[in-house]
Amino acid sequence: GAVVSQHPSWVICKSGTSVKIECRSLDFQATTMFWYRQFPKQSLMLMATSNEGSKATYEQGVEKDKFLINHASLTLSTLTVTSAHPEDSSFYICSAPGQWNTEAFFGQGTRLTVV
Amino acid sequence: RKEVEQDPGPFNVPEGATVAFNCTYSNSASQSFFWYRQDCRKEPKLLMSVYSSGNEDGRFTAQLNRASQYISLLIRDSKLSDSATYLCVVNKGYQKVTFGIGTKLQVIP
Repeated sequence: GAVVSQHPSWVICKSGTSVKIECRSLDFQATTMFWYRQFPKQSLMLMATSNEGSKATYEQGVEKDKFLINHASLTLSTLTVTSAHPEDSSFYICSAPGQWNTEAFFGQGTRLTVV
Repeated sequence: RKEVEQDPGPFNVPEGATVAFNCTYSNSASQSFFWYRQDCRKEPKLLMSVYSSGNEDGRFTAQLNRASQYISLLIRDSKLSDSATYLCVVNKGYQKVTFGIGTKLQVIP
């Protein structure tokens, strides 16, 4: 099946620094990728939709200047958490949809801890 | 009303028990439906797709009721390894999926 690879799987950073998370589709092209965030004991919440070659679409309440998304190729989308703060500590997961309304393929997730 | 609603549980059941989860969705135009399993601190993994005709995979049976806008998941003969959070996922089309909050299942020895 389709594989989505996400890197890094975990990262600890100091408050105020920026962190980049990569999401790659390994054996298929993904014109669209989704970025989710999951706080402990909460559901996956869609943050933004990443579109290859165009600007990302952000969900209400998500700061686009803080969570920079770049989808420069058909196989790579990146999420950069800028000026991270402890409240940004969370589990971030990317996914790419299957064709014909099939299931979504998820990256392994990135656990971000900001200290 | 949330787009996808699930009882978060937890459901604590003994080994060998049968347990059922329901999930309701609000958008009648939703096109496809799935159950995902998520283990603690891991990414969700597809458990099974859900069809109107119902589908069964071993101990797992999924059902879709479009008229009432709900989907269900039945797990028979629960195993300890079934302990996880089960996510109801609805695809509205345009490649956009919506997740339920997930139902936590704990199978007890």
